Amino acid sequence: EAGVAQSPRYKIIEKRQSVAFWCNPISGHATLYWYQQILGQGPKLLIQFQNNGVVDDSQLPKDRFSAERLKGVDSTLKIQPAKLEDSAVYLCASSLESGSSYEQYFGPGTRLTVT
Amino acid sequence: GNSVTQMEGPVTLSEEAFLTINCTYTATGYPSLFWYVQYPGEGLQLLLKATKADDKGSNKGFEATYRKETTSFHLEKGSVQVSDSAVYFCALIVKTSYDKVIFGPGTSLSVIP
Repeated sequence: EAGVAQSPRYKIIEKRQSVAFWCNPISGHATLYWYQQILGQGPKLLIQFQNNGVVDDSQLPKDRFSAERLKGVDSTLKIQPAKLEDSAVYLCASSLESGSSYEQYFGPGTRLTVT
Repeated sequence: GNSVTQMEGPVTLSEEAFLTINCTYTATGYPSLFWYVQYPGEGLQLLLKATKADDKGSNKGFEATYRKETTSFHLEKGSVQVSDSAVYFCALIVKTSYDKVIFGPGTSLSVIP
């Protein structure tokens, strides 16, 4: 079974530029998560989708971050404009359904550096 | 609010030493508790979990017991190996109107031969 795919793996941009990350979850997984992991910290949930609907986006900085999951499959996370403090690894994860009974499978992450 | 606290790292142990990584939590209701591991250069993966009080999760020689009275979920292993060197994250899922996921800050473990 193929795992969670993310691209690009690395991205360097200047502040005020925009950037987009792509995630393709495991086939058949209804729930998709985007996390931000700043160096030395644990992952922070940015947004959680159930199929193509948003379940939780309470920690998403909506003035600059946006995410969509068209057709309930792959997803895109965008930052516009980027700030220095957005430098982090952006992790995508998926699970069969939401809830503690279902394991989250993580992708390799996209490392973003904002200069 | 809901939160997870872990002991600060880095933790450095000799091979075959006993490992404990402390994790305590604050949560409304009765969360499910998890340990995730991130090996160097790899993505996070689930190590073990416990979904109710007094449950013990175990995997690959690691164990953790859900202690409701002390709101803790400490990770233990009797004899660590060099291959256990990684970052370990404690996490919880608490049921609200949806399942809210919260990770701890992580504890880095280095095992030396």
